[in-house]
Amino acid sequence: SAVISQKPSRDICQRGTSLTIQCQVDSQVTMMFWYRQQPGQSLTLIATANQGSEATYESGFVIDKFPISRPNLTFSTLTVSNMSPEDSSIYLCSAWGGAKGENEQFFGPGTRLTVL
Amino acid sequence: RKEVEQDPGPFNVPEGATVAFNCTYSNSASQSFFWYRQDCRKEPKLLMSVYSSGNEDGRFTAQLNRASQYISLLIRDSKLSDSATYLCVVPNNAGNMLTFGGGTRLMVKP
Repeated sequence: SAVISQKPSRDICQRGTSLTIQCQVDSQVTMMFWYRQQPGQSLTLIATANQGSEATYESGFVIDKFPISRPNLTFSTLTVSNMSPEDSSIYLCSAWGGAKGENEQFFGPGTRLTVL
Repeated sequence: RKEVEQDPGPFNVPEGATVAFNCTYSNSASQSFFWYRQDCRKEPKLLMSVYSSGNEDGRFTAQLNRASQYISLLIRDSKLSDSATYLCVVPNNAGNMLTFGGGTRLMVKP
């Protein structure tokens, strides 16, 4: 199965600042996604990271707040911009498709963000 | 109606018990389904896939009722290590976009 790593694993940030989360997959994958999981809640899809083009955002999420990059088939970043305490959450990267896992979506370990 | 609905629980059961969770989905065109398991402070991991009427893997059985649009997960002979949140997941037709239910929390006690 594909192995996904995320950096940082956790961070505590001041409101108004921005944090960029990195996601690295150990093999080339077709699709990469970013999810948010708020305390005690299930996962909500933020966007699909598209290689070489703008990400596709779900309802309620916008590029100015959550800019995403995907420069190649194994790497993506999510930035949480102008943070507020409401952005405190776990952010998870996931990947689908490719040589190691065609029919399964794998998840990274998540980045636990606390905004003060 | 939410796209994927689950009873949040928690289900508190003794070791050795049999427990079942239900999940209902709104899109009648959905063809396949997943159960993911998420341990506390960990990422979700695939537990079982359900493509037809059901699937069995050891102590775990998943069943699909298309007419009523629900999927169930049955766990027999519960172990302490089964304590986790179980997420019902419905993919799109291509299988690459997932919709998660709210999750059902299971706590197995000695």
